[in-house]
Amino acid sequence: DAKTTQPTSMDCAEGRAANLPCNHSTISGNEYVYWYRQIHSQGPQYIIHGLKNNETNEMASLIITEDRKSSTLILPHATLRDTAVYYCIVRGVPLSNTNAGKSTFGDGTTLTVKP
Amino acid sequence: GAVVSQHPSWVICKSGTSVKIECRSLDFQATTMFWYRQFPKQSLMLMATSNEGSKATYEQGVEKDKFLINHASLTLSTLTVTSAHPEDSSFYICRAASPGGEGYTFGSGTRLTVV
Repeated sequence: DAKTTQPTSMDCAEGRAANLPCNHSTISGNEYVYWYRQIHSQGPQYIIHGLKNNETNEMASLIITEDRKSSTLILPHATLRDTAVYYCIVRGVPLSNTNAGKSTFGDGTTLTVKP
Repeated sequence: GAVVSQHPSWVICKSGTSVKIECRSLDFQATTMFWYRQFPKQSLMLMATSNEGSKATYEQGVEKDKFLINHASLTLSTLTVTSAHPEDSSFYICRAASPGGEGYTFGSGTRLTVV
């Protein structure tokens, strides 16, 4: 799996968009970008994933640069409940049991949403 | 979406005793279950992978006789920490191969404190 680099921490004002960056300069052509978050003392939660096109779901949007070396997770209207550690992971496909289980979560970005 | 119910959410036990953690898949069959451990302010570390009806595969450095995994049915997997010691205190999380989404769902985690 390609290595990812994320800022250690970020703050965001409640109601504003939270933009979380991730660098994955060694990503290879068949690797997807996955985002998860972990609220304190809970299990991680899958957010979104993408290959090269921008993706949007009910939770967030994922913007992947054209060269695929970086991506940004966007929470359009952050709430206090979005305070969590956000993990960006790059891994190959197909999403077999092997690469899903062995995905390295890294240290992530601690997002703090403030009133 | 798919839900994995993990119990207990927290447990305190005396050193030398054993603790069982259960993960149940609700409304779907989990053929594969991953078990992770997470120490404070650290990321998830894969401990073992289990497939229903067969022996679990443990990651290097994880003692299989200490961390007993049973995956006897398609809806239930258990992790038993035997002869627990204070250094086993950690956050334990399961993750099941599940339908929909990215294809995997985490449990809510179990905070184990050994005193």
